This record gives sequence, structure tokens and C-alpha cells, in this order.
Amino acid sequence: GAVVSQHPSRVICKSGTSVKIECRSLDFQATTMFWYRQFPKQSLMLMATSNEGSKATYEQGVEKDKFLINHASLTLSTLTVTSAHPEDSSFYICSASGDRSGYEQYFGPGTRLTVT
Amino acid sequence: GENVEQHPSTLSVQEGDSAVIKCTYSDSASNYFPWYKQELGKGPQLIIDIRSNVGEKKDQRIAVTLNKTAKHFSLHITETQPEDSAVYFCAASMGNFGNEKLTFGTGTRLTIIP
Repeated sequence: GAVVSQHPSRVICKSGTSVKIECRSLDFQATTMFWYRQFPKQSLMLMATSNEGSKATYEQGVEKDKFLINHASLTLSTLTVTSAHPEDSSFYICSASGDRSGYEQYFGPGTRLTVT
Repeated sequence: GENVEQHPSTLSVQEGDSAVIKCTYSDSASNYFPWYKQELGKGPQLIIDIRSNVGEKKDQRIAVTLNKTAKHFSLHITETQPEDSAVYFCAASMGNFGNEKLTFGTGTRLTIIP
């Protein structure tokens, strides 16, 4: 199957600072990338959908000015959590979809964000 | 919007027995139904998927069935092994492909008892 990576795998930041998470499709071109967050023992909640070269579409209730998404190339999308607060602590997971992957969604390994 | 319900929330089976996880969806426009396996601290892994023009799909020990009339689909794992222990999520999408957003079920924690 297609391979998606995320970096970093874990990050700890102080309240009020910003943190950037990268999502890369390693062996295919991802025309669409998705960002999810997952709280412990819960399901995945979609935050936003991004298509290469265009603005992300955010789900209802997700603050677009707080969670900045950039899908600048067919292999890279970034999520920046701005002015992070402890309640932003979560597991953030990206997925990617593109023609080589058969258009299925393949997920990255996730990023554990802890805001202190 | 779409709503996906998943049952059971936890499931324990003896090694070698079969496991079945069921999902129902609300929107008849949904056309694509993937299943994901998630191990602790990792991202979900696509294990099998089915599209609305197919009633059943099998891949070795894993099979998925779809009943569009009843709006439910199920994951079947036969000859279970300890490495099958994980959380399993079903999902539904209104697109024909995975480049449409997915609505996930609540997950099933499967434990295989050696």
C-alpha cells in the first residue's frame, strides 16, 4: 500500500506557542489530504480537507485561524496549531489520497501533541 | 450528515475463532466503506474496503459484506490470531473513492485470547 509519514511523532510545547506538524505522501502524489484529531479511546474526528493548491475546507466547529493548513505540494501538507492551549493536546493524524493509492485514504502514524 | 454506528464496542474471542463487527450507516448516498485497524499509538491501517456495487469482498482471513438495502456492512475475521488484537473502525463515504471525506464509527476493541 501507499506510505504516509508524519513529523514529528511526538511534540511537547508550552501554552501560547505554535507548533507545526508535517504530513508527507512518500510514494504517491496526494491530491487530497485530510487532518483528524483523536482523543484517548475515541474515534477519529475530521478537522479539515485540503486539496493541493487550494484552501482547506474546515469542518463545523474547527477554528481555521487556530488550525492553519497548507497543502503546498502533491506530497506535503502541514498543520500549524497556533497559540496552543492544554485543551489542544491530542493525537493528530493525517491521511492522503491520490490516484496511485487507488484513491483510498492512507493514514500517517500520527503526532502526539502535549501542551503544558 | 452521515452517521455511522458500530457494534460491539469491545469483543473478546478465543484464538482461532471468528470475530464479527457490524456497522450501520444512515445516508443511502454513501458508496464507499473501508475498514481500518489501529494499534495503540499508531495511525489507522486500511485492511479492506468495499464499494456499493459489490456485496462481498474477501482477502485471506478478512471479509467484508455489504447490504445496501438495510444500510449495514460487517467485517469478518476468521482463524483469529493474537496479532489481530487492535481497535477496528468502520467508515463510510459518499464518494466513490477515498478522496471524499470519511465518517467513522466509534470503534471496536478486539482482544484475541491465546
